Parts: sequence; C-alpha cells; structure tokens
Amino acid sequence: IVMTQSPATLSVSPGERATLSCRASQSIGSNLAWYQQKPGQAPSLLIYGASTRATGLPARFSGSGSGTEFTLTISSLQSEDFAVYYCQQYNKWPRTFGGGTKVEI
Amino acid sequence: QVQLVESGGGVVQPGRSLRLSCVASGFTFSSYGMHWVRQAPGKGLDWVAAISHDGSNEYYAGSVKGRFTISRDNLKNILFLEMNSLRDEDTAVYYCARDSNWFDPWGQGTLVTVSS
Repeated sequence: IVMTQSPATLSVSPGERATLSCRASQSIGSNLAWYQQKPGQAPSLLIYGASTRATGLPARFSGSGSGTEFTLTISSLQSEDFAVYYCQQYNKWPRTFGGGTKVEI
Repeated sequence: QVQLVESGGGVVQPGRSLRLSCVASGFTFSSYGMHWVRQAPGKGLDWVAAISHDGSNEYYAGSVKGRFTISRDNLKNILFLEMNSLRDEDTAVYYCARDSNWFDPWGQGTLVTVSS
C-alpha cells in the first residue's frame, strides 16, 4: 500500500492552524497512525486508529479520516510543533509510511 | 519506564555483515511483536522487518528479504537484526520499535554506514 502525504513542506506561523494530508492507495479502514519527528530524534507516536491521541498528546492535535483519505490537524501551532510528520498504515503487510510533511516556520 | 536501546551500528564494507541489537526494558518483552525501521540520511522512514511476540512469525520488506534476518531472545529481552550482503543503499539509522500495530515507543537508533 502506497502512502502519499501532502504537502511535502508546510510553512505556518505560530498560532496558526496546520492541516496535513495522507492518502492511501487502497482502503485501509482506520488502520492509520501519525508520528512526529524532530531533528536528531527518533519518531514519536501521535495518533493511532486514525483519530485516537497517544497518551499525553495535547488536544491541539487531532486526526480524522477513514478509507483512503486522512488528515492530521494542529489547531494552533506551538514552537515545539515544528517538525516532520509521517503517516503509516498497518492494515496490510508490509507496513508502509508516507514520505513525510515538514512543518516549518 | 519503557525503553529500547539499539547498538551494533558502525561502518561496514559492501557485501559484509553486521548484527544489530535492541535491548528492551520496562515492559513484558515476550508479549509484544517488534519491528526494525530505518531512515537513510535526510530521507523518510522505511519499515524493514517485524517479528511476532514469540518469534514464530517474521515479516520483511522486499528490499531486504533474503539478506536480513530478524530474531529475538525473550529470556534476555533482546531483539536482533542480522544484516548480510550489505549494500550502499542500506546506509541508514536503524530504529527498533515496539508493536501495537503502530510503533510505540522507538529506540534512539543506531547508524549503519555501508562504504568501501
């Protein structure tokens, strides 16, 4: 399953809303996770089941979608949110990631 | 707390072998499947391999099938990745991650550089 993220880069000002998209090449139900990766760090889980926030994740992060179209929304960007975001499907083997969206200032 | 610590990376010549390890702590290792995911310099995430909680099932990306072997020691809480016939394109940071269908948590990664 090919995962396609858009845009590749998103330029946003602090306090603004960011909307990241992820599309699957075939239906994956709600079997989608989102990760955040900051420079020099390992990725960390944000969202699973397309819309369930990981423990401790601020409510400004939300996930939506099912089937082939998914969205990660950050309602009001904070300085610590500037990072690269990846989606990943776990509906079928092999597990596959999208190419990532870099959220920059 | 749940922790994964990788080791074993380094510089290796093309065609040679390397074995990575991932030591797990803070959870019941034998109850979880585990994954290896890699990231080439400046690139995105690339799933490599997975193993079931008891080691009875293994899964591989097409790019490494037949060259890499994932295994685990549930008595010592260690995950392994045996990498043979290494190629330039295997150069990456290799992360281990716990499976819950999604990957959480991740280790800090170990860098493998394939170069002559």
